[in-house]
Amino acid sequence: GDSVTQMEGPVTLSEEAFLTINCTYTATGYPSLFWYVQYPGEGLQLLLKATKADDKGSNKGFEATYRKETTSFHLEKGSVQVSDSAVYFCALSPFGAGGTSYGKLTFGQGTILTVHP
Amino acid sequence: GAVVSQHPSWVICKSGTSVKIECRSLDFQATTMFWYRQFPKQSLMLMATSNEGSKATYEQGVEKDKFLINHASLTLSTLTVTSAHPEDSSFYICSARDYSNTGELFFGEGSRLTVL
Repeated sequence: GDSVTQMEGPVTLSEEAFLTINCTYTATGYPSLFWYVQYPGEGLQLLLKATKADDKGSNKGFEATYRKETTSFHLEKGSVQVSDSAVYFCALSPFGAGGTSYGKLTFGQGTILTVHP
Repeated sequence: GAVVSQHPSWVICKSGTSVKIECRSLDFQATTMFWYRQFPKQSLMLMATSNEGSKATYEQGVEKDKFLINHASLTLSTLTVTSAHPEDSSFYICSARDYSNTGELFFGEGSRLTVL
């Protein structure tokens, strides 16, 4: 079945450091890929997404590129801030964005990011 | 953006009792909602798909008689953990897709259940 593997955390960085959180997946067909972020005490929020190979999702300075050849969707940010401290989840949907089963996501285990001033 | 709200955010109950968790879409109608379960330091696992006006669709290995799901209206789905036991202690999260707008999937803030 489908699976998502994230780098284990926690990840601790100083402010303005470069961030990479690795994510690889296993899926049949052409899944859509997502990064969700969960701030303390809040629900998961969509950070960015990519629906086909070579697409780059970006938001709030974060980027991730859908690499079908390496089955990866690594999250990057050039300069992290204290406010980026949160749990980050990589996820996939086995169908395109218009599929009726779009909400059936497979998640990675989450990576806790802590950014110090 | 659209908001999905869960209640209660945390609950403690005695073994053998039943607990109901509500999931509401506050500013959009959701014909379909999804219930996930998250164990400590593990990923979210999809439990079931809740369909308004019809029976829920459960994932393999999820006991439908243990986890009762009711989706009686376009803005409310409930998950009832029946005859709860300590192994049911977990973080339960719901999500709903706003088909009327961007189609984005929105998540509730989660409900932590502790069974003593």
